[in-house]
Amino acid sequence: AQSVAQPEDQVNVAEGNPLTVKCTYSVSGNPYLFWYVQYPNRGLQFLLKYITGDNLVKGSYGFEAEFNKSQTSFHLKKPSALVSDSALYFCAVRGPYNNDMRFGAGTRLTVKP
Amino acid sequence: DTGVSQDPRHKITKRGQNVTFRCDPISEHNRLYWYRQTLGQGPEFLTYFQNEAQLEKSRLLSDRFSAERPKGSFSTLEIQRTEQGDSAMYLCASSLGSGTLGDTQYFGPGTRLTVL
Repeated sequence: AQSVAQPEDQVNVAEGNPLTVKCTYSVSGNPYLFWYVQYPNRGLQFLLKYITGDNLVKGSYGFEAEFNKSQTSFHLKKPSALVSDSALYFCAVRGPYNNDMRFGAGTRLTVKP
Repeated sequence: DTGVSQDPRHKITKRGQNVTFRCDPISEHNRLYWYRQTLGQGPEFLTYFQNEAQLEKSRLLSDRFSAERPKGSFSTLEIQRTEQGDSAMYLCASSLGSGTLGDTQYFGPGTRLTVL
């Protein structure tokens, strides 16, 4: 069965500092990995995904993520955090043979000025 | 570009009543998904359509839940005899459906259901 773990419920960073939101996964076969962001009272917005190819994936709003197959991780990163990045972030995985996508429980990112 | 839309945005009902939600996917997207999200949790997969065919249903989708996509365009999710445990945000997503299952799902704003 496929699953996702986001080990941190909350991440706090100062504006201008780099940020990392962690994600590990378990799936049979090669994974399709996604990051979504959710702002209050709004739906999930797609940030980036890994399907195949380069392990470093660049996405919207300056975010990037690195796929690490040996560590089964897909951590989300940004070199310089903005206060407006404060939101709830979800990692998701889908296996090549699975119709359903599994989400982590989410990590609340707070960027302080 | 019109995104995924859902109607209604909010629904308050009494226990035992039936409710129906509608989802309009992005045009030309042939895959459509329903998820349920409760407070403090990530979305949980409920069901998946490829065009009008319902290809997968989660075990979370009890007999009281039914979903349709009659013409391969909009979809409805009906909950019969609602229970307080059904209170959640119901999310719809669609994807283009070309090639692999790695295509990006785009989410609607959700329908928040409160069962009193």
